[in-house]
Amino acid sequence: SQQGEEDPQALSIQEGENATMNCSYKTSINNLQWYRQNSGRGLVHLILIRSNEREKHSGRLRVTLDTSKKSSSLLITASRAADTASYFCATDVRETSGSRLTFGEGTQLTVNP
Amino acid sequence: DAGITQSPRHKVTETGTPVTLRCHQTENHRYMYWYRQDPGHGLRLIHYSYGVKDTDKGEVSDGYSVSRSKTEDFLLTLESATSSQTSVYFCAISEVGYYYEQYFGPGTRLTVT
Repeated sequence: SQQGEEDPQALSIQEGENATMNCSYKTSINNLQWYRQNSGRGLVHLILIRSNEREKHSGRLRVTLDTSKKSSSLLITASRAADTASYFCATDVRETSGSRLTFGEGTQLTVNP
Repeated sequence: DAGITQSPRHKVTETGTPVTLRCHQTENHRYMYWYRQDPGHGLRLIHYSYGVKDTDKGEVSDGYSVSRSKTEDFLLTLESATSSQTSVYFCAISEVGYYYEQYFGPGTRLTVT
């Protein structure tokens, strides 16, 4: 089962608008990461927020983390057509079989010019 | 793509044939990972390495083996390819550990007919 699940699965907005994507997870984490994937390319790391942090900014990106609700959100402000991509959250999972970073299925963001 | 190359980038092979995918990094990072990406499943970890000759299984390791004889190279082998292994395969690296930032290669699209 997925540790991290993004919501919504798809989001379509106009250029200049803000885009908000959410991620929920199930078990306690060390940190939560957001990645972007452009069509046909590998994932690109965007931002990492530690479990003891509540908010983090990087340029037009704002990430929040609520460990009590086991959820995170990624806000992209003043979106551009170039922001069109899939966005994934990733969390660490510790299981008897080992530990790994687990990714959700992503939110497909389309920014219309 | 952070000094990571994957070869080949595209491959079509027949069921039952062996296939080896190569990941090469120039970053001297200790950790290397192989993921597969499929619609409806997101990214899933196949195997990972935490040093030369040190490897471990991931979430979906059945039918795959790996080897790492040098820091810079991580090989993924499908001993006898099956149609269910048709996927896009991504290599990733990280400097510290699995729950820190990972940097991804461009991917290999494998089709097993």
